[in-house]
Amino acid sequence: AQKITQTQPGMFVQEKEAVTLDCTYDTSDPSYGLFWYKQPSSGEMIFLIYQGSYDQQNATEGRYSLNFQKARKSANLVISASQLGDSAMYFCATSNAGGTSYGKLTFGQGTILTVHP
Amino acid sequence: DAGVIQSPRHEVTEMGQEVTLRCKPISGHDYLFWYRQTMMRGLELLIYFNNNVPIDDSGMPEDRFSAKMPNASFSTLKIQPSEPRDSAVYFCASSLPPGRGNTEAFFGQGTRLTVV
Repeated sequence: AQKITQTQPGMFVQEKEAVTLDCTYDTSDPSYGLFWYKQPSSGEMIFLIYQGSYDQQNATEGRYSLNFQKARKSANLVISASQLGDSAMYFCATSNAGGTSYGKLTFGQGTILTVHP
Repeated sequence: DAGVIQSPRHEVTEMGQEVTLRCKPISGHDYLFWYRQTMMRGLELLIYFNNNVPIDDSGMPEDRFSAKMPNASFSTLKIQPSEPRDSAVYFCASSLPPGRGNTEAFFGQGTRLTVV
């Protein structure tokens, strides 16, 4: 079984500052993926970034980067230069490939990020 | 591609009525997933299909829930009879298998179901 823990129910950040959203995971699978999704108030789920368990380097996508520490089983999301539009719920999720799809996801409870002007 | 399309976006129904949620996945995606989001339980996987075949329905809460995928471009999630505790946002998502392009699942806009 897989488990995702997001310990920060809510986070606040000043516009243009960087913010780190925490995520720890627990899985017995040797090969897995880690994902972050954003859910704005409008409700849709927007994919942000992916990290494979065997990837040597931390993933980056524009202002998003994933601080992957495999030994600690953590996959924190770093958002640089926060913008007002970043205010949303953020979900960390994991999936094992195992021949199936990375769409079979186990989600954390989410962190609500509020960006102040 | 227009992305994953779900209908309706909102549904209000009375307890005991049948509810059918619809999903059109992204063309070419082999996998289709149904998720449910509630305040109490968060996002949870209900069922998923590979090439139109149900693979894992262990997340389906009760026999009142059923899902079908008659072809590669259409899936339904049916609740019969509906109960107030079924009120939630239901998401459909689709994806390619690992090794064939993008790894992530693409989600639809969701259907907000309210059972009164």
